[in-house]
Amino acid sequence: AQSVTQLDSQVPVFEEAPVELRCNYSSSVSVYLFWYVQYPNQGLQLLLKYLSGSTLVKGINGFEAEFNKSQTSFHLRKPSVHISDTAEYFCAVSDRDDYKLSFGAGTTVTVRA
Amino acid sequence: EAGVAQSPRYKIIEKRQSVAFWCNPISGHATLYWYQQILGQGPKLLIQFQNNGVVDDSQLPKDRFSAERLKGVDSTLKIQPAKLEDSAVYLCASSLETGGYTFGSGTRLTVV
Repeated sequence: AQSVTQLDSQVPVFEEAPVELRCNYSSSVSVYLFWYVQYPNQGLQLLLKYLSGSTLVKGINGFEAEFNKSQTSFHLRKPSVHISDTAEYFCAVSDRDDYKLSFGAGTTVTVRA
Repeated sequence: EAGVAQSPRYKIIEKRQSVAFWCNPISGHATLYWYQQILGQGPKLLIQFQNNGVVDDSQLPKDRFSAERLKGVDSTLKIQPAKLEDSAVYLCASSLETGGYTFGSGTRLTVV
């Protein structure tokens, strides 16, 4: 199974500022990569995914992520955050042959006015 | 399209009691997963079903946890007897194909 490391447990950020959430995974074998968002008392919502093709992936709500195979990273970015982006963000990885997701511990993003 | 339905939303039980959670996946999704999310951690896979067969239950504490998926549709997850460390959110997800996971809202279990 994959191991996923989210390097920041908490990220405070001011409204309209950019944010980057870092994610590294353990294996260099072919993988699928995902970012999920979890709002309080809700389930997980898919922000974006990398399956193949372009290494820059665009998702919902203005988020994007870049797959870097040599660094085994999949960092999430947004150029300008809103108060409504306050949530928990999870990076997840699956091997291409079993589709089971391994999640990081999560990054709490708090957007302040 | 209806999402993944889970019930109950919340449950409080005393340790050593039993509890059951229910999940109804998206229609047509052959694969169903149960995840456990302890506060402050990412979700951890407990069990994966493909139709009504178990694909992976290596992380399921089988001495107290059990799950079934009768007729390849709905699924139930049971804990008997519950321990304090079972307090968590239990998430059900279903998928049609890779990358197509849809999660339910979860059941928040508190064991006191």
